[in-house]
Amino acid sequence: GESVGLHLPTLSVQEGDNSIINCAYSNSASDYFIWYKQESGKGPQFIIDIRSNMDKRQGQRVTVLLNKTVKHLSLQIAATQPGDSAVYFCAEKNLGNSGGSNYKLTFGKGTLLTVNP
Amino acid sequence: ETGVTQSPTHLIKTRGQQVTLRCSSQSGHNTVSWYQQALGQGPQFIFQYYREEENGRGNFPPRFSGLQFPNYSSELNVNALELDDSALYLCASSFNRHDTQYFGPGTRLTVL
Repeated sequence: GESVGLHLPTLSVQEGDNSIINCAYSNSASDYFIWYKQESGKGPQFIIDIRSNMDKRQGQRVTVLLNKTVKHLSLQIAATQPGDSAVYFCAEKNLGNSGGSNYKLTFGKGTLLTVNP
Repeated sequence: ETGVTQSPTHLIKTRGQQVTLRCSSQSGHNTVSWYQQALGQGPQFIFQYYREEENGRGNFPPRFSGLQFPNYSSELNVNALELDDSALYLCASSFNRHDTQYFGPGTRLTVL
């Protein structure tokens, strides 16, 4: 069945350091992955996405890596800032599951990132 | 461009009551998905509406129902509220069924 989980519930880093948030998934049919950032009292904010035909995708200060062999993805944040403090969720979707569940995102529990000044 | 908006921000109800939550999708988006987020958990998919029709449903009982209107705004209705329905209810809109979902700020529902 589908499940998306994260390796660490919390991560604490120093301002300016790089952060790496990991995520494992179990559905080998998943072909689309998204990272969301959720600040306290707010809805999830889209950060970056990646499709299963890619291994890496870069955005502004963020990079997502996908390893389909071990069903693992990671979010790397460069030069982490206090404003990056939030809960980070990975979510997965099966775009090719026509007639099935290709409409929904499946989220993990999230990793709380704390950036120390 | 206006993002996804939800109303009300907070709501307190008692067990057995009914509640209606509202969502306005982002301009140009025809799909709305609803999620329930319990404290300390990730969002759980409730259902999705695409062009006024339900396009998929998660593992929620029938007392969770919804609507989508011609302007693509949406409502989530919950009947016979239970204590476990206390959560943050999130609405997300997307340009189409398979496109990136953008979330609103959520409605915090407390059931006493």
